[in-house]
Amino acid sequence: GAVVSQHPSRVICKSGTSVKIECRSLDFQATTMFWYRQFPKQSLMLMATSNEGSKATYEQGVEKDKFLINHASLTLSTLTVTSAHPEDSSFYICSARDHGWDTGELFFGEGSRLTVL
Amino acid sequence: GQNIDQPTEMTATEGAIVQINCTYQTSGFNGLFWYQQHAGEAPTFLSYNVLDGLEEKGRFSSFLSRSKGYSYLLLKELQMKDSASYLCAVLDSNYQLIWGAGTKLIIKP
Repeated sequence: GAVVSQHPSRVICKSGTSVKIECRSLDFQATTMFWYRQFPKQSLMLMATSNEGSKATYEQGVEKDKFLINHASLTLSTLTVTSAHPEDSSFYICSARDHGWDTGELFFGEGSRLTVL
Repeated sequence: GQNIDQPTEMTATEGAIVQINCTYQTSGFNGLFWYQQHAGEAPTFLSYNVLDGLEEKGRFSSFLSRSKGYSYLLLKELQMKDSASYLCAVLDSNYQLIWGAGTKLIIKP
């Protein structure tokens, strides 16, 4: 199956700093990538849909200026958490689909656990 | 509103069979996914159903009834490594994935 790689897997930062998380599709081109956040014992929450070459589409309640998404190429999307605060500590997961939904699968990255001190 | 319901937690015995149910109410339907997620890891794909009926894949099977807005994931010959959360997700008419809260499955020896 297709592979999505996410980096870093874990990051600890001080409050007020910015953190960038990368999501790469290794063996396919992803015109669309999805960024999720998952708090402990909760389900995935879609933050935004990242479209190659255009602006991301953010879900209601997600701050565009705080969570910057860049999808500059067909294999790379980045999520930057700006001026991070302890409440931003969470598990961030990216995903991508190879071709249409009829392939029946969404490929996930390994996830990035962010801890803001 | 859109809603996906699945039990919060289930317990089963190693070697047994367990069925995890999922009911959904969404604006349109373009398929239903089941994902497995071990603690601290990203979800991994298990199955995709878009037509009514049963899809079998090794020890795992998934069933769909579109008229009832219902699906189940059947796990046979349970192994300790099957202890995980199982997420049900529906693709709505806008091709947005709507996620259930997940069912935590605990396997006991």
